[in-house]
Amino acid sequence: GENVEQHPSTLSVQEGDSAVIKCTYSDSASNYFPWYKQELGKGPQLIIDIRSNVGEKKDQRIAVTLNKTAKHFSLHITETQPEDSAVYFCAASLPPEGAQKLVFGQGTRLTINP
Amino acid sequence: KAGVTQTPRYLIKTRGQQVTLSCSPISGHRSVSWYQQTPGQGLQFLFEYFSETQRNKGNFPGRFSGRQFSNSRSEMNVSTLELGDSALYLCASSFRGLEEKLFFGSGTQLSVL
Repeated sequence: GENVEQHPSTLSVQEGDSAVIKCTYSDSASNYFPWYKQELGKGPQLIIDIRSNVGEKKDQRIAVTLNKTAKHFSLHITETQPEDSAVYFCAASLPPEGAQKLVFGQGTRLTINP
Repeated sequence: KAGVTQTPRYLIKTRGQQVTLSCSPISGHRSVSWYQQTPGQGLQFLFEYFSETQRNKGNFPGRFSGRQFSNSRSEMNVSTLELGDSALYLCASSFRGLEEKLFFGSGTQLSVL
């Protein structure tokens, strides 16, 4: 089955700097790659997603890139703010189950230092 | 629009007991998925229901089961609880499932003593 590896497990950056989290997946048939942000005591919140027919997607300070050949995708957060501190999860899914059966990475705890 | 609602928020049970968790999806959403989150194993898919039918299933033992009602609300049941079942159980919904975005609730924190 699909396997997703996520790095780093912890990341600490200065406020205003950029943060990059990387994930690799094992099954080349995977076609949907969402990123979730989880704050303490809450469930994961979808922040951005990308499908395999797109190489890059941006939403304000957040961007995701996908390299299908290398089977890896990355989350980029620019101009980081204290409220960006949280645990971030990448995920991948295969057809035909699609986005309902996600395989998650192990998470990255991002800390933004003021 | 209200989000995904899970009840109860916290639950404490002892080994051997059974437990039922409840999930109300976002209004209009017909697909409900369940995930288990633990520090060791991370987030793992349990099963998905659509139109009262289990459409997908993860690799969990038969002690884990679920159902969906005609109003799309869902319940999951864990029988003969084990210490290792202690986890945050998350419910997520989408309109029809498959290629659509998944929205999570805040979860039910289950502790098995």
